[in-house]
Amino acid sequence: DIQMTQSPSSVSASVGDRVTITCRASQGISGWLAWYQQKPGKAPKILIYATSSLRGGVPSRFSGSGSGTDFTLTISSLQPEDFATYYCQQSFTFPRTFGQGTKVEIK
Amino acid sequence: QVQLRESGPGLVKPSETLSLNCIVSGVSISSGGFHWSWIRQHPGKGLEWIGYIYYNGRSDYSPSLKSRVTISLDTSKNQISLKLSSVTAADTAVYYCAGETVSGDYSFNYWGQGTLVTVSS
Repeated sequence: DIQMTQSPSSVSASVGDRVTITCRASQGISGWLAWYQQKPGKAPKILIYATSSLRGGVPSRFSGSGSGTDFTLTISSLQPEDFATYYCQQSFTFPRTFGQGTKVEIK
Repeated sequence: QVQLRESGPGLVKPSETLSLNCIVSGVSISSGGFHWSWIRQHPGKGLEWIGYIYYNGRSDYSPSLKSRVTISLDTSKNQISLKLSSVTAADTAVYYCAGETVSGDYSFNYWGQGTLVTVSS
């Protein structure tokens, strides 16, 4: 299985802050990396697929980058509705695997 | 638009079989556009992929659950089903069905609302 490791596990930030979340795969995944946002009691929602492609309707303050085994989700200016848990996920191979999540909390 | 809705018992006894269904609307599960997956989330924890099935019956499962899991399709009902046998308290989780787009991006674009299953006597 490909292990996905996110860091940090949590981050405290203020509205307007720039937030960066890192995801590392245990082997190369050829850019098949997606990011999801999950709010309490809700299903995850896709934000970014294939490393850097923004899903329709997702605000442009979200961006993704990376290659090989190292990937990043950046929120350029944190908004109140962005406080949530974020997960990375690889779709390079089966079994599909997720990172352990990063909780973005209000400072 | 594509919608998924899980259903099934919210309480299952230890050693019994957990059975859930996922009704899909807005697209035919036979269309070939999606891998249909089950994903679970233990209380307060992260996401765990259980397995998937494709319209042609091709499937794959998490190695850690493979001996206990069966995912099937019912095209007449446009429905995907999950069976997990010999459950224990460790199988208590919210179970989601999800559609993974296979035409280019291979991401889980569509999710059900999730259903909590508690394993307890």
